[in-house]
Amino acid sequence: DIQMTQSPSSLSASVGDRVTITCRASQSISSYLNWYQQKPGKAPKLLIYAASSLQSGVPSRFSGSGSGTDFTLTISSLQPEDFATYYCQQSYSTHRFTFGPGTKVDIK
Amino acid sequence: EVQLVESGGGLVQPGGSLRLSCAASGFTFSSYEMNWVRQAPGKGLEWVSYISSSGSTIYYADSVKGRFTISRDNAKNSLYLQMNSLRAEDTAVYYCARGRSRDGYNYSDYWGQGTLVTVSS
Repeated sequence: DIQMTQSPSSLSASVGDRVTITCRASQSISSYLNWYQQKPGKAPKLLIYAASSLQSGVPSRFSGSGSGTDFTLTISSLQPEDFATYYCQQSYSTHRFTFGPGTKVDIK
Repeated sequence: EVQLVESGGGLVQPGGSLRLSCAASGFTFSSYEMNWVRQAPGKGLEWVSYISSSGSTIYYADSVKGRFTISRDNAKNSLYLQMNSLRAEDTAVYYCARGRSRDGYNYSDYWGQGTLVTVSS
């Protein structure tokens, strides 16, 4: 099975900061990588698919990059509504799409 | 507007059974793959099961294989998860999520609000 890791597990940042979250796969997954945002008590929301494709309606301050085993999610200028937990998910294994452990972004 | 509404959660004793439902609206349900994803209290997301649009292809996480059964009724726009031999570690919020595929890349673009399953004596 493909294992996903994320770093850091949590971070504190201020409004306006540039934030970068890293996701690593245990084997090459090409660009089969999605990013989701989840706020407390809410369902996850798709941000990025295929490593770098922005989902419709998602603000352009969110961007994704990477391929192979190493990926990043970048928030160019953190907004108050961006404080949440972010999960990566691999979609390389045929319909067995495992998630990373999550990165919690909170207010400094 | 795409809507996914889960129901059927509740308190069940270890070893018991529960059937979750997910009612879909606002899109052609029979054209989409579906997934169940769960989240234990205070924990991360765990993919549970996948079903193809026709129901002919099904996958399960190892943690639920042999105990859970995913199914769908395209005439009723509904997705189901039959959960048997429930364990304390199955306690979680269960989400249904619509699957999409674009250029071979798969992702879940809409999610329900979730239904809580608590396994406890």
